Amino acid sequence: DGGITQSPKYLFRKEGQNVTLSCEQNLNHDAMYWYRQDPGQGLRLIYYSQIVNDFQKGDIAEGYSVSREKKESFPLTVTSAQKNPTAFYLCASSIGRSLGLASIYEQYFGPGTRLTVT
Amino acid sequence: AQSVAQPEDQVNVAEGNPLTVKCTYSVSGNPYLFWYVQYPNRGLQFLLKYITGDNLVKGSYGFEAEFNKSQTSFHLKKPSALVSDSALYFCAVRAPNTGGFKTIFGAGTRLFVKA
Repeated sequence: DGGITQSPKYLFRKEGQNVTLSCEQNLNHDAMYWYRQDPGQGLRLIYYSQIVNDFQKGDIAEGYSVSREKKESFPLTVTSAQKNPTAFYLCASSIGRSLGLASIYEQYFGPGTRLTVT
Repeated sequence: AQSVAQPEDQVNVAEGNPLTVKCTYSVSGNPYLFWYVQYPNRGLQFLLKYITGDNLVKGSYGFEAEFNKSQTSFHLKKPSALVSDSALYFCAVRAPNTGGFKTIFGAGTRLFVKA
């Protein structure tokens, strides 16, 4: 899983609680991403960050929040406002700070965190 | 709008036979196309990509893919399948002129290789 770590691997929370998923990379990549994976739906982008102290909403940002205080770290908080938080969450990173160049580089993924909220 | 379609939820092939996993895309401008593989409860691993140039792209683990602009396809192929190739395969597209950091993934195709 190439230099990206996610912890924990499995996470259980009760409904109404916020939970933070960790993502750390040692690849010196500028860009980092959070995806949600549900069966049969592929990957959906939650948030991405091109550089430190900057991040953008993806397609399904509602109920999630992120921060990018360090290049190596991009934690995701699943808030109680997320209506259906149970899913497999994947963090990724890639080379490329500038918009035009970023497109050509593949993403490196962490091993994922499986979140179950009951 | 950008989109990626993987028309087969599942592909079954016997070990030693050639395999094809299909992908078609819809994007404005020149697409950048990627294939990733996912093993159970793991993250995705990059296999190969098409950016420009030769339409036949070779990647990891003996996989290759052919870019066909007229058919807007990017099918993944391998001449001889292995049981260890059994996994979930994702096709993905990026369109630089609509936001270079956003990748659109297909829904995935599960490949079963039978011994």
